[in-house]
Amino acid sequence: NAGVTQTPKFRVLKTGQSMTLLCAQDMNHEYMYWYRQDPGMGLRLIHYSVGEGTTAKGEVPDGYNVSRLKKQNFLLGLESAAPSQTSVYFCASSRDRVNTEAFFGQGTRLTVV
Amino acid sequence: AQTVTQSQPEMSVQEAETVTLSCTYDTSESDYYLFWYKQPPSRQMILVIRQEAYKQQNATENRFSVNFQKAAKSFSLKISDSQLGDAAMYFCAYRRGRDDKIIFGKGTRLHILP
Repeated sequence: NAGVTQTPKFRVLKTGQSMTLLCAQDMNHEYMYWYRQDPGMGLRLIHYSVGEGTTAKGEVPDGYNVSRLKKQNFLLGLESAAPSQTSVYFCASSRDRVNTEAFFGQGTRLTVV
Repeated sequence: AQTVTQSQPEMSVQEAETVTLSCTYDTSESDYYLFWYKQPPSRQMILVIRQEAYKQQNATENRFSVNFQKAAKSFSLKISDSQLGDAAMYFCAYRRGRDDKIIFGKGTRLHILP
């Protein structure tokens, strides 16, 4: 039972570099989310998706882009990384609005130097 | 906009004792869901308990229970017979019934003293 899998688990980027974080879920969930976790800030929603081909902005979307070309995958892109994007990133999924529990990946620790 | 507030950044409790973590939220909705998630040092987010706003009965999962006060917009988590494995960051979360976003509080770090 893989659940929600994030790739990579760790990454160090230089300022200005780009990268894509991959989230894959095998539970056929409709909803997928990207959060960032910073000390003292809790989890803040970056972008989310309510189904294949859809995306929407969360609380802190600036500097990030997302795509949901396939139902099972939700990609988070950083076009030009900044030190302020140093964080732990979590992907989550939930089945639908009725089954509201979110299942989380193991997180990606990203450092931008 | 909905907000979730956890007023206790850190708490400590003696092993085998009971501890209550506070959470308040702000909403004008009547249909919503509330959650408590646990994040141990492994970083994995684990659902502890959930509560549907339309249910008056407080949710319970083994040693974990909630005190849901809808009028006061309060959703506290009680951990009974605290164990060393309960040491973690605990997050309160809110989801509006007809919304797609799940909003989290800033978390409470719980220490268990042996």
